[in-house]
Amino acid sequence: LAKTTQPISMDSYEGQEVNITCSHNNIATNDYITWYQQFPSQGPRFIIQGYKTKVTNEVASLFIPADRKSSTLSLPRVSLSDTAVYYCLVGDMRFSGGYNKLIFGAGTRLAVHP
Amino acid sequence: NAGVTQTPKFRVLKTGQSMTLLCAQDMNHEYMYWYRQDPGMGLRLIHYSVGEGTTAKGEVPDGYNVSRLKKQNFLLGLESAAPSQTSVYFCASSYSTGPLNSPLHFGNGTRLTVT
Repeated sequence: LAKTTQPISMDSYEGQEVNITCSHNNIATNDYITWYQQFPSQGPRFIIQGYKTKVTNEVASLFIPADRKSSTLSLPRVSLSDTAVYYCLVGDMRFSGGYNKLIFGAGTRLAVHP
Repeated sequence: NAGVTQTPKFRVLKTGQSMTLLCAQDMNHEYMYWYRQDPGMGLRLIHYSVGEGTTAKGEVPDGYNVSRLKKQNFLLGLESAAPSQTSVYFCASSYSTGPLNSPLHFGNGTRLTVT
């Protein structure tokens, strides 16, 4: 299993762009990178998933360099409501039951200030 | 469409007591999971199920039992609660077609305190 390393916490201000980087040096060929978001007193929620290059949806962008040893979650123009914990997961997503092999680490606690 | 519903939301137990946490999903998902989350830590997988009538152990299964008698329900049991089981418990579900493009759907958790 690919181990991931993220910053424990980050601070930002409303309107700024936030980039959270996740290191996964031993990522395997078939591994995908997935990010989840967790608000206080709620379960995690899927944000975005990618394999290489760049993926964008209505919530965030995910940048993955060619060597895939790291990835960066980018949140454009954050607001107070983006204050949450963000988890980076790396694993083989192709097969049924893949989630039982994925590990949620401690995540990155993002605090957005007025 | 309620998604994943967990009951109860809060519970306080005394050491040695037993209880069952209920998870229900209305999305016709094949896979269901139970996680626990302790302060400052990520989620750790307790048990999971790949379909009705099947269960399997996750990372931290000791002290817990599970049952999946109906596809929509996944029960987590504590036979003899211990203070180390004080935690927030999350249930999740997903389609069986594989996690690729099939994210986990989580409930809002059950906060359990064992005194």
